[in-house]
Amino acid sequence: KAGVTQTPRYLIKTRGQQVTLSCSPISGHRSVSWYQQTPGQGLQFLFEYFSETQRNKGNFPGRFSGRQFSNSRSEMNVSTLELGDSALYLCASSSNTGLGNTGELFFGEGSRLTVL
Amino acid sequence: GNSVTQMEGPVTLSEEAFLTINCTYTATGYPSLFWYVQYPGEGLQLLLKATKADDKGSNKGFEATYRKETTSFHLEKGSVQVSDSAVYFCALKSSGDKIIFGKGTRLHILP
Repeated sequence: KAGVTQTPRYLIKTRGQQVTLSCSPISGHRSVSWYQQTPGQGLQFLFEYFSETQRNKGNFPGRFSGRQFSNSRSEMNVSTLELGDSALYLCASSSNTGLGNTGELFFGEGSRLTVL
Repeated sequence: GNSVTQMEGPVTLSEEAFLTINCTYTATGYPSLFWYVQYPGEGLQLLLKATKADDKGSNKGFEATYRKETTSFHLEKGSVQVSDSAVYFCALKSSGDKIIFGKGTRLHILP
């Protein structure tokens, strides 16, 4: 069974640009969550999608957005990049119970974004 | 709101030493608790979990017990190996809510 796939793995952007990151979950998983990982802040929750609907959202500005497609693949977008957006962006998929995902997340290897 | 606090690292131990990484939490209701591990250059992976008070999660020689009275979920291993060097994250999830992670504890095991 293929794991969670994130693309691209590495990218470099300049301030003011925008970026789109992609995530393909494990087959059969309908919940996808995104996290930002930085040395100072650890893992910060961005958002969670289930069946194309945003179910939870973290405390990030509106420059951070996401969506999920009917095949459960997800994308996140960051517009007007700032230096502080440099981070490892992790996607995780999960199976679901009626009350939300089970908490057992399967992570991809991440997309490392550097903003110059 | 919900939160997780874990001991700051890095933690450096010699091979075969006993390991404890402390984790305490604040949450409403009865959350599920998790330990995740991140090996160098990889994403996180679930190490163990416990879903109710007094449950003990275990995997690969690691153990953690859900202590509601002390709101803790400390990670322990009796004899660590060099291959255990990684970053360890404590996490919690309340029903219907997002998963909250601690800031992570980096573990170095010396041969």
